[in-house]
Amino acid sequence: RKEVEQDPGPFNVPEGATVAFNCTYSNSASQSFFWYRQDCRKEPKLLMSVYSSGNEDGRFTAQLNRASQYISLLIRDSKLSDSATYLCVVNVWVSSNFGNEKLTFGTGTRLTIIP
Amino acid sequence: IAGITQAPTSQILAAGRRMTLRCTQDMRHNAMYWYRQDLGLGLRLIHYSNTAGTTGKGEVPDGYSVSRANTDDFPLTLASAVPSQTSVYFCASSEQPNTEAFFGQGTRLTVV
Repeated sequence: RKEVEQDPGPFNVPEGATVAFNCTYSNSASQSFFWYRQDCRKEPKLLMSVYSSGNEDGRFTAQLNRASQYISLLIRDSKLSDSATYLCVVNVWVSSNFGNEKLTFGTGTRLTIIP
Repeated sequence: IAGITQAPTSQILAAGRRMTLRCTQDMRHNAMYWYRQDLGLGLRLIHYSNTAGTTGKGEVPDGYSVSRANTDDFPLTLASAVPSQTSVYFCASSEQPNTEAFFGQGTRLTVV
């Protein structure tokens, strides 16, 4: 099983719709979770961190489900400018020693908002 | 403007040549990282540095080396480039290891 797994899409969604995608992770000890956004031929940019209690930033809501080991991203009232690839990021322990962890990126979910 | 800068933005390199990709940040972040991004494989960690003076191997370190002589700079060297190292390379930094990372604009490298 991959350490971090995402549905690659593409998701083609009409403008104004709500879209959600999930990301599963394999390491139950993971503590840090993020969503990044990447536009074509650009660098990834932090969209939001994901907290245990869930968090919201405008039209974007992130949730963490530790029992089922997944995080989700919900986008409401989607805009054309939301078209991008969304990357799920999870910290993964590589050994039992403190500090030996690494941020692991999913391969991304591609979202296209259709006018 | 504070941030993280990579150079060059793109490069075509003959196989067998040595190349250093530069990365500088002015945010005084402790941790820095080098990733490569290839279609279908996502971002893969090459090397990282949790603090100045220390480095570690990531997921795909072979053929690459790094150094971290000071807080701001984290160069990535390809000792003898091979075509499989054709990729987009991103440098990133975070205030502490494995917290929110901020990325440079990337270096598009083609080895021929």
